[in-house]
Amino acid sequence: GAGVSQSPSNKVTEKGKDVELRCDPISGHTALYWYRQSLGQGLEFLIYFQGNSAPDKSGLPSDRFSAERTGGSVSTLTIQRTQQEDSAVYLCASSLAGGRVQPQHFGDGTRLSIL
Amino acid sequence: GESVGLHLPTLSVQEGDNSIINCAYSNSASDYFIWYKQESGKGPQFIIDIRSNMDKRQGQRVTVLLNKTVKHLSLQIAATQPGDSAVYFCAENLIGYALNFGKGTSLLVTP
Repeated sequence: GAGVSQSPSNKVTEKGKDVELRCDPISGHTALYWYRQSLGQGLEFLIYFQGNSAPDKSGLPSDRFSAERTGGSVSTLTIQRTQQEDSAVYLCASSLAGGRVQPQHFGDGTRLSIL
Repeated sequence: GESVGLHLPTLSVQEGDNSIINCAYSNSASDYFIWYKQESGKGPQFIIDIRSNMDKRQGQRVTVLLNKTVKHLSLQIAATQPGDSAVYFCAENLIGYALNFGKGTSLLVTP
């Protein structure tokens, strides 16, 4: 079956521009997560959606970052007024539920480069 | 703060040998642990997970061991193959449902 799909796979933009990153989770997965991975580093949690509950935004690094999830499925991560330190791979994951026992399954990410 | 760390940043093994990748965690409240494999240009791929009420769990060619006394987690890969070459991450469930990742261990399998 289809895994987590992210688009675009690569994005190059100028500093100060806004970008939108898209995530299509695995069908039937109610939980969706965004992480950021800088070069040679582990993954940094950004935001988590579970069903119709209010998202956990505790990992967002600044108010330039926002995310939404429409219809409990597709999610968009938006970065406004991009800065060079925003350059990273943005990874989306989904799981069957928000419970701790459920493994998260990842897409291949969007590689964002800010010039 | 609490963190997940890895003992070795790189590990080189010969094809056919067994590999052991280690991970330390410092939060005794962590109750779920998971190992991922990440190949270049790809997202992390789920390998195996374990709850804190278990000491050992086996999958296909992989075994995860959890030692809660010393807060240590390990991933054993049997008969390591060239296709196993990748970066391996351990992660713990620390705050709510977000996973806290270590920085990763690079496994290189040589012929």
